[in-house]
Amino acid sequence: LAKTTQPISMDSYEGQEVNITCSHNNIATNDYITWYQQFPSQGPRFIIQGYKTKVTNEVASLFIPADRKSSTLSLPRVSLSDTAVYYCLVIGGFKTIFGAGTRLFVKA
Amino acid sequence: ETGVTQSPTHLIKTRGQQVTLRCSSQSGHNTVSWYQQALGQGPQFIFQYYREEENGRGNFPPRFSGLQFPNYSSELNVNALELDDSALYLCASSSKDVGEKLFFGSGTQLSVL
Repeated sequence: LAKTTQPISMDSYEGQEVNITCSHNNIATNDYITWYQQFPSQGPRFIIQGYKTKVTNEVASLFIPADRKSSTLSLPRVSLSDTAVYYCLVIGGFKTIFGAGTRLFVKA
Repeated sequence: ETGVTQSPTHLIKTRGQQVTLRCSSQSGHNTVSWYQQALGQGPQFIFQYYREEENGRGNFPPRFSGLQFPNYSSELNVNALELDDSALYLCASSSKDVGEKLFFGSGTQLSVL
């Protein structure tokens, strides 16, 4: 199972773009990269998933280089409500492993 | 809203007791996974059920057991509760037919005294 490494915490200001990078050096061919967001006392919420290159949806973009050993979650123009823990996961089977995540704190 | 509901939302038990937590999966999903999340940590995988059979298990002792029913709802049972079992228990549903995206409920907060 591919292990992921991401920063423990990040600070930002409202309106800024936030990029959170995750490394997954041992990613397997069939693995997908998925990001979740979690607020206190709630379950994680799916943000975005990708296999390679770039994926964009209404809330975020996911950039994956050709070697797929890392990925970057990009949150455009964050607001105070984006303060949460963000998890990077590599999914290739039944066992979805969460790391400690990145605590993003958005300041006014 | 993910369509995944868990009950109860909060629960207080004492050491040695047994507890049953319940989860109703999102319509159309045939897979349920259970996670334990201690304060300040990421969710830890307990096990997964696919079409009523255990499909994989994390590093949890046998006193953690589960069931999945024909309607794909699920139960997590924990026997002989210990203080360290105090945590947020999360249920996630998914469908192997449409990828591995997990849809989580809001969890059950279990306190063991």
